[in-house]
Amino acid sequence: EIVMTQSPAILSVSPGERATLSCRASQFISTNLAWYQQRPGQAPRLLMYGASTRATAFPARFSGSGSGTEFTLTISSLQSEDFAVYYCQQYVNWPLTFGGGTKVEIK
Amino acid sequence: QLQLQESGPGLVKPSETLSLTCTVSGDSINNTNYYWGWIRQPPGKGLEWIVNMLYSGTTHYNASLKSRATVSVDTSENQFSLKLNSVSAADTAIYYCARYCSGGSCVDHWGQGTLVTVSS
Repeated sequence: EIVMTQSPAILSVSPGERATLSCRASQFISTNLAWYQQRPGQAPRLLMYGASTRATAFPARFSGSGSGTEFTLTISSLQSEDFAVYYCQQYVNWPLTFGGGTKVEIK
Repeated sequence: QLQLQESGPGLVKPSETLSLTCTVSGDSINNTNYYWGWIRQPPGKGLEWIVNMLYSGTTHYNASLKSRATVSVDTSENQFSLKLNSVSAADTAIYYCARYCSGGSCVDHWGQGTLVTVSS
Protein backbone atom coordinates (compact mmCIF):
# COMPACT_ATOMS: atom_id res chain seq x y z
CA GLU A 1 0.00 0.00 0.00
CA ILE A 2 1.26 3.46 -0.91
CA VAL A 3 1.28 5.80 2.08
CA MET A 4 0.53 9.45 1.39
CA THR A 5 1.89 11.98 3.89
CA GLN A 6 0.71 15.58 3.93
CA SER A 7 2.37 18.50 5.65
CA PRO A 8 1.77 20.58 7.55
CA ALA A 9 -1.31 19.24 9.31
CA ILE A 10 -2.50 22.79 9.95
CA LEU A 11 -1.50 25.88 7.98
CA SER A 12 -2.43 29.31 9.34
CA VAL A 13 -2.53 31.93 6.62
CA SER A 14 -3.87 35.46 6.33
CA PRO A 15 -6.33 36.29 3.55
CA GLY A 16 -4.46 37.40 0.45
CA GLU A 17 -1.32 35.48 1.33
CA ARG A 18 0.13 32.45 -0.43
CA ALA A 19 -0.38 28.94 0.90
CA THR A 20 1.87 26.03 0.02
CA LEU A 21 0.76 22.50 0.87
CA SER A 22 2.93 19.40 0.51
CA CYS A 23 2.16 15.77 -0.22
CA ARG A 24 4.66 12.93 -0.28
CA ALA A 25 4.15 9.40 -1.59
CA SER A 26 5.97 6.43 -0.09
CA GLN A 27 6.60 5.06 -3.61
CA PHE A 28 6.98 6.48 -7.11
CA ILE A 29 3.56 7.48 -8.47
CA SER A 30 4.58 9.61 -11.48
CA THR A 31 1.83 12.24 -11.76
CA ASN A 32 -1.02 9.95 -10.68
CA LEU A 33 -2.11 12.36 -7.98
CA ALA A 34 -5.32 14.23 -7.21
CA TRP A 35 -6.10 17.00 -4.75
CA TYR A 36 -9.47 17.60 -3.11
CA GLN A 37 -10.94 20.50 -1.16
CA GLN A 38 -13.35 19.79 1.68
CA ARG A 39 -15.23 22.58 3.38
CA PRO A 40 -16.87 21.98 6.79
CA GLY A 41 -19.99 19.85 6.54
CA GLN A 42 -19.54 19.23 2.82
CA ALA A 43 -18.31 16.41 0.63
CA PRO A 44 -14.85 16.75 -0.87
CA ARG A 45 -14.55 18.29 -4.33
CA LEU A 46 -12.01 17.38 -6.96
CA LEU A 47 -9.55 20.25 -7.25
CA MET A 48 -6.64 18.87 -9.25
CA TYR A 49 -5.74 15.69 -11.11
CA GLY A 50 -2.71 14.49 -12.98
CA ALA A 51 -0.85 16.46 -10.29
CA SER A 52 -1.24 19.76 -12.14
CA THR A 53 -4.52 19.82 -14.12
CA ARG A 54 -7.03 22.03 -12.41
CA ALA A 55 -10.70 21.02 -12.30
CA THR A 56 -12.94 23.49 -14.15
CA ALA A 57 -14.74 24.70 -11.02
CA PHE A 58 -11.57 26.12 -9.49
CA PRO A 59 -9.88 29.42 -10.34
CA ALA A 60 -6.35 29.92 -11.55
CA ARG A 61 -5.04 30.89 -8.13
CA PHE A 62 -4.85 27.15 -7.45
CA SER A 63 -1.88 25.37 -8.97
CA GLY A 64 -0.34 21.94 -8.55
CA SER A 65 3.14 20.67 -9.25
CA GLY A 66 5.43 17.73 -8.70
CA SER A 67 5.99 14.20 -9.92
CA GLY A 68 7.45 11.01 -8.60
CA THR A 69 7.04 11.21 -4.83
CA GLU A 70 6.90 14.93 -4.01
CA PHE A 71 3.95 17.18 -4.78
CA THR A 72 2.83 20.69 -3.98
CA LEU A 73 -0.49 22.51 -4.05
CA THR A 74 -0.20 26.29 -4.09
CA ILE A 75 -2.94 28.81 -3.50
CA SER A 76 -1.50 32.11 -4.65
CA SER A 77 -3.76 34.55 -2.79
CA LEU A 78 -6.09 33.02 -0.25
CA GLN A 79 -9.73 34.02 -0.39
CA SER A 80 -12.25 33.43 2.39
CA GLU A 81 -13.79 30.48 0.55
CA ASP A 82 -10.43 28.71 0.34
CA PHE A 83 -10.19 28.04 4.07
CA ALA A 84 -10.84 24.31 4.15
CA VAL A 85 -9.14 20.93 4.43
CA TYR A 86 -7.16 19.70 1.44
CA TYR A 87 -6.44 16.03 0.72
CA CYS A 88 -4.11 14.42 -1.77
CA GLN A 89 -4.79 10.98 -3.24
CA GLN A 90 -2.71 8.60 -5.34
CA TYR A 91 -4.22 6.47 -8.07
CA VAL A 92 -1.27 4.66 -9.55
CA ASN A 93 -2.41 1.37 -8.01
CA TRP A 94 -4.89 -0.28 -5.64
CA PRO A 95 -5.75 0.43 -2.92
CA LEU A 96 -6.37 4.06 -3.68
CA THR A 97 -4.97 5.99 -0.73
CA PHE A 98 -5.40 9.48 0.66
CA GLY A 99 -3.16 11.70 2.70
CA GLY A 100 -4.24 12.74 6.17
CA GLY A 101 -5.16 16.24 5.05
CA THR A 102 -3.95 19.80 5.59
CA LYS A 103 -6.31 22.23 7.25
CA VAL A 104 -5.88 25.77 5.95
CA GLU A 105 -7.14 28.12 8.62
CA ILE A 106 -7.39 31.86 8.99
CA LYS A 107 -4.43 33.42 10.77
CA GLN B 1 -26.09 17.43 -14.21
CA LEU B 2 -24.80 14.36 -12.45
CA GLN B 3 -26.07 13.80 -8.92
CA LEU B 4 -25.49 10.97 -6.47
CA GLN B 5 -27.59 10.43 -3.36
CA GLU B 6 -26.88 7.99 -0.56
CA SER B 7 -29.65 6.36 1.45
CA GLY B 8 -29.83 3.83 4.24
CA PRO B 9 -30.07 3.42 8.00
CA GLY B 10 -28.17 5.90 10.11
CA LEU B 11 -27.75 3.47 12.99
CA VAL B 12 -26.53 -0.12 12.84
CA LYS B 13 -25.88 -2.48 15.73
CA PRO B 14 -22.46 -4.05 16.25
CA SER B 15 -21.94 -7.36 14.40
CA GLU B 16 -24.81 -6.59 12.00
CA THR B 17 -24.70 -5.58 8.33
CA LEU B 18 -24.51 -2.01 7.09
CA SER B 19 -26.48 -1.50 3.87
CA LEU B 20 -26.38 1.66 1.77
CA THR B 21 -27.72 2.55 -1.66
CA CYS B 22 -26.57 5.24 -4.06
CA THR B 23 -29.11 6.59 -6.54
CA VAL B 24 -27.57 8.16 -9.62
CA SER B 25 -29.23 10.80 -11.80
CA GLY B 26 -27.79 12.58 -14.80
CA ASP B 27 -25.73 9.60 -15.98
CA SER B 28 -26.19 5.88 -16.36
CA ILE B 29 -24.29 3.41 -14.25
CA ASN B 30 -24.17 1.35 -17.46
CA ASN B 31 -21.68 3.92 -18.73
CA THR B 32 -18.61 1.80 -19.30
CA ASN B 33 -16.33 4.82 -19.19
CA TYR B 34 -16.64 5.26 -15.47
CA TYR B 35 -16.09 3.44 -12.22
CA TRP B 36 -18.55 3.92 -9.37
CA GLY B 37 -17.89 3.24 -5.72
CA TRP B 38 -17.72 4.16 -2.07
CA ILE B 39 -15.44 6.14 0.23
CA ARG B 40 -15.84 6.73 3.94
CA GLN B 41 -14.70 9.28 6.49
CA PRO B 42 -14.83 8.70 10.26
CA PRO B 43 -16.06 11.84 12.05
CA GLY B 44 -13.27 14.41 12.24
CA LYS B 45 -10.82 12.17 10.37
CA GLY B 46 -9.52 11.53 6.87
CA LEU B 47 -10.81 9.68 3.83
CA GLU B 48 -10.69 5.91 3.27
CA TRP B 49 -11.36 4.30 -0.08
CA ILE B 50 -13.65 1.25 0.09
CA VAL B 51 -14.44 -0.03 -3.40
CA ASN B 52 -14.55 0.76 -7.13
CA MET B 53 -16.64 -1.07 -9.67
CA LEU B 54 -17.40 -1.01 -13.37
CA TYR B 55 -20.83 -1.98 -14.68
CA SER B 56 -19.10 -4.79 -16.55
CA GLY B 57 -18.31 -6.42 -13.22
CA THR B 58 -14.69 -5.42 -12.70
CA THR B 59 -14.40 -4.58 -9.03
CA HIS B 60 -11.59 -3.50 -6.72
CA TYR B 61 -11.96 -3.67 -2.95
CA ASN B 62 -9.81 -2.28 -0.19
CA ALA B 63 -8.26 -5.39 1.35
CA SER B 64 -8.16 -3.66 4.74
CA LEU B 65 -11.87 -4.38 5.05
CA LYS B 66 -10.99 -8.08 5.04
CA SER B 67 -13.69 -9.15 2.57
CA ARG B 68 -16.52 -7.67 4.66
CA ALA B 69 -17.62 -5.39 1.83
CA THR B 70 -19.79 -6.28 -1.17
CA VAL B 71 -21.00 -3.97 -3.91
CA SER B 72 -23.92 -4.64 -6.27
CA VAL B 73 -25.75 -2.87 -9.08
CA ASP B 74 -29.43 -2.39 -9.91
CA THR B 75 -29.51 -1.05 -13.45
CA SER B 76 -33.32 -0.83 -13.53
CA GLU B 77 -33.17 1.76 -10.73
CA ASN B 78 -29.81 3.24 -11.76
CA GLN B 79 -28.49 2.44 -8.31
CA PHE B 80 -25.57 0.68 -6.74
CA SER B 81 -25.29 -0.57 -3.20
CA LEU B 82 -22.77 -1.34 -0.50
CA LYS B 83 -23.05 -4.00 2.16
CA LEU B 84 -20.52 -4.17 4.98
CA ASN B 85 -20.97 -7.05 7.37
CA SER B 86 -19.82 -7.71 10.92
CA VAL B 87 -19.60 -3.99 11.68
CA SER B 88 -18.02 -2.50 14.78
CA ALA B 89 -17.67 1.00 16.20
CA ALA B 90 -14.63 1.44 13.93
CA ASP B 91 -17.02 1.44 10.96
CA THR B 92 -18.81 4.57 12.20
CA ALA B 93 -18.27 7.11 9.42
CA ILE B 94 -19.77 9.34 6.78
CA TYR B 95 -20.17 7.14 3.72
CA TYR B 96 -19.90 8.81 0.33
CA CYS B 97 -20.87 7.26 -2.97
CA ALA B 98 -18.83 8.48 -5.89
CA ARG B 99 -18.19 8.44 -9.59
CA TYR B 100 -14.55 8.06 -10.49
CA CYS B 101 -12.60 9.69 -13.26
CA SER B 102 -11.60 7.62 -16.26
CA GLY B 103 -9.78 4.46 -15.25
CA GLY B 104 -11.07 4.53 -11.70
CA SER B 105 -8.53 7.09 -10.63
CA CYS B 106 -9.71 10.29 -9.01
CA VAL B 107 -13.26 11.07 -7.89
CA ASP B 108 -14.99 13.64 -10.05
CA HIS B 109 -18.42 13.51 -8.43
CA TRP B 110 -19.37 12.86 -4.81
CA GLY B 111 -22.67 12.26 -3.07
CA GLN B 112 -23.43 14.49 -0.11
CA GLY B 113 -22.57 11.65 2.28
CA THR B 114 -24.56 9.84 4.93
CA LEU B 115 -23.50 9.30 8.53
CA VAL B 116 -23.72 5.73 9.74
CA THR B 117 -23.23 5.13 13.44
CA VAL B 118 -22.49 1.66 14.79
CA SER B 119 -23.85 1.39 18.29
CA SER B 120 -26.04 -0.85 20.36
